[in-house]
Amino acid sequence: EIVMTQSPATLSESPGERATLSCRASQSVSSTLAWYQQKPGQAPRLLIYGASTRATGIPARFSGSGSGTEFTLTISSLQSEDFALYYCQQYYNWPWTFGQGTKVDIK
Amino acid sequence: QVQLQESGPGLVKPSQTLSLTCTVSGGSISSGSHYWSWIRQPAGKGLEWIGRIYPSGSTNYNSSLKSRVTMSVDTSKNQFSLRLSSVTAADTAVYYCARARGFDRAFFDCWGQGILVTVSS
Repeated sequence: EIVMTQSPATLSESPGERATLSCRASQSVSSTLAWYQQKPGQAPRLLIYGASTRATGIPARFSGSGSGTEFTLTISSLQSEDFALYYCQQYYNWPWTFGQGTKVDIK
Repeated sequence: QVQLQESGPGLVKPSQTLSLTCTVSGGSISSGSHYWSWIRQPAGKGLEWIGRIYPSGSTNYNSSLKSRVTMSVDTSKNQFSLRLSSVTAADTAVYYCARARGFDRAFFDCWGQGILVTVSS
């Protein structure tokens, strides 16, 4: 099983600031990496797939990069609605696995 | 726009079988372009993929749960289902159904709202 490790566990930033979230895979997953946003009491929402392709309707301030084992989700300028939990997921190998999440909260 | 909705008992006794159904609306489950998955999330914890089913009935399960999981599909009702046997308190979680985009390699582009299932006597 591929283990996904996200860092940091919590990221405290101010609105308007840039947020950088990391996700590391225990072995190469090529570019088969997705990012999700989850708000309290809600289902996850797909943000990024293929490591860098934004899903339909996702604002351009969200960007993904990386390949192999190291990936980054960047939020260029945090808006109030962006304070949430973020998960990465690899879909290179069975079973598909998620990271433990990074919480982005208001500084 | 496709929507998914989970349904089923919110409380299951230990050792019994958890049964959930996901109803798909706004599109056909038999479109052939997607697999359909179940994912769960214990309170305050991360996400665990349980398994997936194709409209033909072909399935793949997470090996960690494989011995206890059965998924089925009813294309006439546009539904797919999850059964998890011999449940314990560790199976208490919010269960999501989701659409998997892709085949051998897929991510989840549409999710149900989730249903909390508590295992308790």
